[in-house]
Amino acid sequence: DAKTTQPPSMDCAEGRAANLPCNHSTISGNEYVYWYRQIHSQGPQYIIHGLKNNETNEMASLIITEDRKSSTLILPHATLRDTAVYYCIVRVLYNQGGKLIFGQGTELSVKP
Amino acid sequence: GAGVSQSPSNKVTEKGKDVELRCDPISGHTALYWYRQSLGQGLEFLIYFQGNSAPDKSGLPSDRFSAERTGGSVSTLTIQRTQQEDSAVYLCASSLAGQANYGYTFGSGTRLTVV
Repeated sequence: DAKTTQPPSMDCAEGRAANLPCNHSTISGNEYVYWYRQIHSQGPQYIIHGLKNNETNEMASLIITEDRKSSTLILPHATLRDTAVYYCIVRVLYNQGGKLIFGQGTELSVKP
Repeated sequence: GAGVSQSPSNKVTEKGKDVELRCDPISGHTALYWYRQSLGQGLEFLIYFQGNSAPDKSGLPSDRFSAERTGGSVSTLTIQRTQQEDSAVYLCASSLAGQANYGYTFGSGTRLTVV
């Protein structure tokens, strides 16, 4: 599976949009981009995933560049409860075998 | 069940003792994963079960670690002769294999402390 690069930490003001970048320049054509987050002392939580089109759900939006070498997770109106470590992962369709490999992620701090 | 259940939530054991950690996946989920997370670190993959296939054990750090999954449902992670470096949160996740667009659901983990 392709590797990802994320900034180690970011700050965001409460109520503002949080834009978390991820570079995945070696992504293959059949690899999806997944985002998870881990709030302190909890297990990771699935947020969103996409292949090449932009995606939106009740939690976030995912913007994938046309060349698929990078993506941005957008939390449109960050709250204090969004403070967490956010993981960007790329991998093949999971039914082709195996596990998510987590990197170090971005520690997002939402401040009042 | 409604989610992935792990037990115990906390375990303190003496160095050298064996421990068993249990994971109850979401009913019907055929894929089950174990990870561990040491203090301040990211998630480290340990082992993956998919249906009746041979498990992917590539992440197990030593032969003191083993896991089994009985009847395609409950899984037990066993650590023999525990060491202090085994202290970590052990996380279990399950997913519904066979569908491309499905994420993992994680349990809340077992915090293991070896003293």
